[in-house]
Amino acid sequence: DTGVSQNPRHKITKRGQNVTFRCDPISEHNRLYWYRQTLGQGPEFLTYFQNEAQLEKSRLLSDRFSAERPKGSFSTLEIQRTEQGDSAMYLCASSLGRSRNEQFFGPGTRLTVL
Amino acid sequence: SQKIEQNSEALNIQEGKTATLTCNYTNYSPAYLQWYRQDPGRGPVFLLLIRENEKEKRKERLKVTFDTTLKQSLFHITASQPADSATYLCALGRDNTDKLIFGTGTRLQVFP
Repeated sequence: DTGVSQNPRHKITKRGQNVTFRCDPISEHNRLYWYRQTLGQGPEFLTYFQNEAQLEKSRLLSDRFSAERPKGSFSTLEIQRTEQGDSAMYLCASSLGRSRNEQFFGPGTRLTVL
Repeated sequence: SQKIEQNSEALNIQEGKTATLTCNYTNYSPAYLQWYRQDPGRGPVFLLLIRENEKEKRKERLKVTFDTTLKQSLFHITASQPADSATYLCALGRDNTDKLIFGTGTRLQVFP
């Protein structure tokens, strides 16, 4: 257990529905990251925050995806109008924020879109 | 666009032998490279980091090399054990961002 928690661990939804995931990072970590991972692939970067500021967002992230970290602690990732192609493991990670620092990953939220 | 390649097929080795995993990249100039371990159904776990100006890094039974001319990193596990069986991911990073770019991973199976 790295100390990063994610909820829910599994989510099954129907196409077109909205879903929201939560990530609680390690308390002293000011950087928080979201990645998406599909079967047989490595994690793919989505976005990251320093405190409450969203510093970078992948160009692959469509406007159906939005992430927030309102108080610089926990973060939420929302997917609107889900599509079957959104089915994946959504991973959250946190770090102390110094460049080159290791990232601590949570267990992930597995999303299945029917 | 950048491309990171790791052995696509699983690597099967006998307990006690040295496992060597490869990470090759193109169209990218990383400032550092990290290796992670991932077990099924779990998030990646950090193992080692090596910077562009370092040739080799060691930690217990693990050794990483980084050749920026060949654009390649090698990850070695000596005296491998069945408990080392997992998927190993390499990830590249730059100084101007904390974003990591991951390879597809190599599945290692160590059998007794």
